[in-house]
Amino acid sequence: DIQMTQSPSPLSASVGDRVTITCRASQYVSKYVNWYQQKLGAAPRLLIFAASSLQSGVPSRFSGAGSGTDFTLAISSLQPEDFATYYCQQSYRFPFTFGPGTKVHLK
Amino acid sequence: QVQLQESGPGLVKPSGTLSLSCAVSGGSLTSGVWWTWVRQFPGKGLEWIGEVYYTGDTNYNPSLKSRLIISVDKSKNHFSLNLTSVTAADTAVYFCTRKSGSFYNWFDPWGQGTLVTVSS
Repeated sequence: DIQMTQSPSPLSASVGDRVTITCRASQYVSKYVNWYQQKLGAAPRLLIFAASSLQSGVPSRFSGAGSGTDFTLAISSLQPEDFATYYCQQSYRFPFTFGPGTKVHLK
Repeated sequence: QVQLQESGPGLVKPSGTLSLSCAVSGGSLTSGVWWTWVRQFPGKGLEWIGEVYYTGDTNYNPSLKSRLIISVDKSKNHFSLNLTSVTAADTAVYFCTRKSGSFYNWFDPWGQGTLVTVSS
């Protein structure tokens, strides 16, 4: 299986901060990486697909980058509603796998 | 737009069978996408369980394959999960979702999830 790791975890930040979350795949996954946001008691919400494409309806302060094995999710100016857990996921090879999550909390 | 809703027992006895359904509304099960189950353990880790196409074709996580059946019911526009010989390790929130995209793939939308506890 392809292992996905994330850093940092957790991440302490303040409103207005630029934050970056890193995801690393244990082997080459091209651009087959997606990012999800999950709030307490809710289902994951797709933010970014194919490493850098913004899902419809997602604010433009979210962006994704990377290819191969190293990927990033950035939030340009953290808003109060962005405090949540973020997961990366690879869809390059079965079984699809998720990272362990990065919880973004208030500093 | 497509909405998904899971249903099924919230409590299953050890060695029993976990059975869940996912109702698809606002779209057709036969729309040419793969319908997927994902679970989330109490420690928050997410695990892809498997997927089914409207033809009945499936792909399963090898770690669950020997215990797992995912099927579709086109007449009811829903798909189902059956996991046999469950243990406490199968306690999780189970989500159904749609695998979208034709080249790159992603999961969207998601059902709200249903908690299944394995306990006597």
